[in-house]
Amino acid sequence: EAGVAQSPRYKIIEKRQSVAFWCNPISGHATLYWYQQILGQGPKLLIQFQNNGVVDDSQLPKDRFSAERLKGVDSTLKIQPAKLEDSAVYLCASSLSGKGYEQYFGPGTRLTVT
Amino acid sequence: AQSVTQLDSQVPVFEEAPVELRCNYSSSVSVYLFWYVQYPNQGLQLLLKYLSGSTLVESINGFEAEFNKSQTSFHLRKPSVHISDTAEYFCAVSTGSSNTGKLIFGQGTTLQVKP
Repeated sequence: EAGVAQSPRYKIIEKRQSVAFWCNPISGHATLYWYQQILGQGPKLLIQFQNNGVVDDSQLPKDRFSAERLKGVDSTLKIQPAKLEDSAVYLCASSLSGKGYEQYFGPGTRLTVT
Repeated sequence: AQSVTQLDSQVPVFEEAPVELRCNYSSSVSVYLFWYVQYPNQGLQLLLKYLSGSTLVESINGFEAEFNKSQTSFHLRKPSVHISDTAEYFCAVSTGSSNTGKLIFGQGTTLQVKP
């Protein structure tokens, strides 16, 4: 089966610009996660969707970050405007359900903000 | 609040030697525990998980981890490592009280296997 797809793989922008990342989860997976992984740290959950509804966005900086999952399949994560500290790898993951089920991760998008 | 501490940021080891990667967690409720591996330029892959039952869990490539509730630990071990085991390893916890499946990750341990 196809894995979690993400694009682009790399992105370089200047601060105050906007950027968007796209994720296509594994077919049939109801739950979709976006994580932020800063260099030298473990991934940190930004937002979790169950189908097209938000389950947890407690750590999403809502003044600049937004995410949507239209029709409960693909998802887009946007940053506007970007700051230097947003430089990180953005990982998308999906799972059949929530608790206890394996999360399958995409290759990530490496964002560099200059 | 939940947290995960991986006690070693880097672990260098020679090929065919045993290795232990340490992980401690803090949670006042029941937990699910995971080890993920990240090879260079790849996404995270599940290595093994503890949900319930036997406290010793094994992966298909020779790793094992033991859930120790009294010490709140979930250390990862392998009796003989290979060059191909060189990667970043992440310990993660999901509390049983939450139905969301949200994972809290440790900082990661870089395992460097030398010939």
